[in-house]
Amino acid sequence: GNSVTQMEGPVTLSEEAFLTINCTYTATGYPSLFWYVQYPGEGLQLLLKATKADDKGSNKGFEATYRKETTSFHLEKGSVQVSDSAVYFCALSPYAGNNRKLIWGLGTSLAVNP
Amino acid sequence: DAGVTQSPTHLIKTRGQQVTLRCSPKSGHDTVSWYQQALGQGPQFIFQYYEEEERQRGNFPDRFSGHQFPNYSSELNVNALLLGDSALYLCASSLAKGADTQYFGPGTRLTVL
Repeated sequence: GNSVTQMEGPVTLSEEAFLTINCTYTATGYPSLFWYVQYPGEGLQLLLKATKADDKGSNKGFEATYRKETTSFHLEKGSVQVSDSAVYFCALSPYAGNNRKLIWGLGTSLAVNP
Repeated sequence: DAGVTQSPTHLIKTRGQQVTLRCSPKSGHDTVSWYQQALGQGPQFIFQYYEEEERQRGNFPDRFSGHQFPNYSSELNVNALLLGDSALYLCASSLAKGADTQYFGPGTRLTVL
C-alpha cells in the first residue's frame, strides 16, 4: 500500500539554525511528493513538490529532493526564521499526474525561537 | 485570483444534528476533494468530486455525503453527528487531468457537543 512516515516532533530550533525534517514513503506506483505547511489556525499551504526521481522542489528557502533509492523526501532549510514556526506535512499522490487522494504523514511541529 | 474559499469558518452543533459545509474551488479548477483533520493529526481523505460525480471515496461512513454543482462548487453533508466528528474540514481544489497538486481552503472548524 501507500504510506508516509515523518519524523516526530516537536522540533525546536533557534533562529538561523539548519532545519531537516525527515520523510520516507512507501508507494506501489510512481508517486508525486509534496510538502505542505499549516500555520496556527489556518488551512494547508503547498510549500513545494516533486514529481519524479531526483527532482528537487524548492520554495521560500526550503528544499526537498525526491530520492527513489531511499524512498525519501526530506525537507531542509539552511537558516530558519521565527516566521517558519508551523506544522509541516509530507504527502504523496500515488500516481504522478493522476489526480486522486493525497496520502499524508502525521505532521511535524516546528517552533523557532528568537 | 480568488483561491479556495470555504464557509462557514466555525460551526457548533449537537449530537444527532446534521451539517452542511460549502466550498468554492480556485478559478479554473474542476475537481474538489474533502478531508477531515482531527486535532494534532494529518488530514484524512473523505471523497473527491469531478463532473458532479463522486470519483473516489475514503474510509468514511455513509453519514458523510457530498455534492458538486455545475459551477464546480461543492458541499459536504454530515448526518447524525457524533462527538468524534469534531474536526477541521478541509476542501481542496485541483484539475482532473495532467496535474495532481491540490490547493486548500482555510477550512471549517466543526465542534460537536
